[in-house]
Amino acid sequence: NAGVMQNPRHLVRRRGQEARLRCSPMKGHSHVYWYRQLPEEGLKFMVYLQKENIIDESGMPKERFSAEFPKEGPSILRIQQVVRGDSAAYFCASSPLPASPVDTQYFGPGTRLTVL
Amino acid sequence: TQLLEQSPQFLSIQEGENLTVYCNSSSVFSSLQWYRQEPGEGPVLLVTVVTGGEVKKLKRLTFQFGDARKDSSLHITAAQPGDTGLYLCAVIFGNEKLTFGTGTRLTIIP
Repeated sequence: NAGVMQNPRHLVRRRGQEARLRCSPMKGHSHVYWYRQLPEEGLKFMVYLQKENIIDESGMPKERFSAEFPKEGPSILRIQQVVRGDSAAYFCASSPLPASPVDTQYFGPGTRLTVL
Repeated sequence: TQLLEQSPQFLSIQEGENLTVYCNSSSVFSSLQWYRQEPGEGPVLLVTVVTGGEVKKLKRLTFQFGDARKDSSLHITAAQPGDTGLYLCAVIFGNEKLTFGTGTRLTIIP
């Protein structure tokens, strides 16, 4: 059973371009979470999605960021008009059920976004 | 204000030594998780503790959940270079989202 897959692993964009980050959850997992890790900072929750639904986007910046998890295909985190402050590692995690205090979210290897 | 404060922030010790890192909060949690993150990778779950006072062992790693379920510690015996990494505590707080601590960056010197 393959783990959570993210691509690309590294992404370089110039200011003003769009960044698209993809996450394929583990087989059988229908719950996806995105986290951001800024340089020398901890992981911060961004958004929680189930198939075709955004459940909680309280950690997502209000502008330029969007996320989707379509019925078919990977979850996508899209950042429009990137700025240097968007440079970070973006991690996706998945779980088979809504995460509970004793359940596990499985993390992907992350996408490292660098904005020039 | 951080929900989970970890200390120390950085720790560098010689191979073979013992160490303890801490995760503290003023809030009470039903459970707490510890993760290790190696450079260039995502966090990997090490353990979940759920009962106040609980002690769990994973080879040379010993995890303890405080009696009041507000804090936790991770003790490593005879540290090895493979233990190098970022150690994160985390809790489910609110709507199914993990809240992570500030992290302890551990370096074991051969």
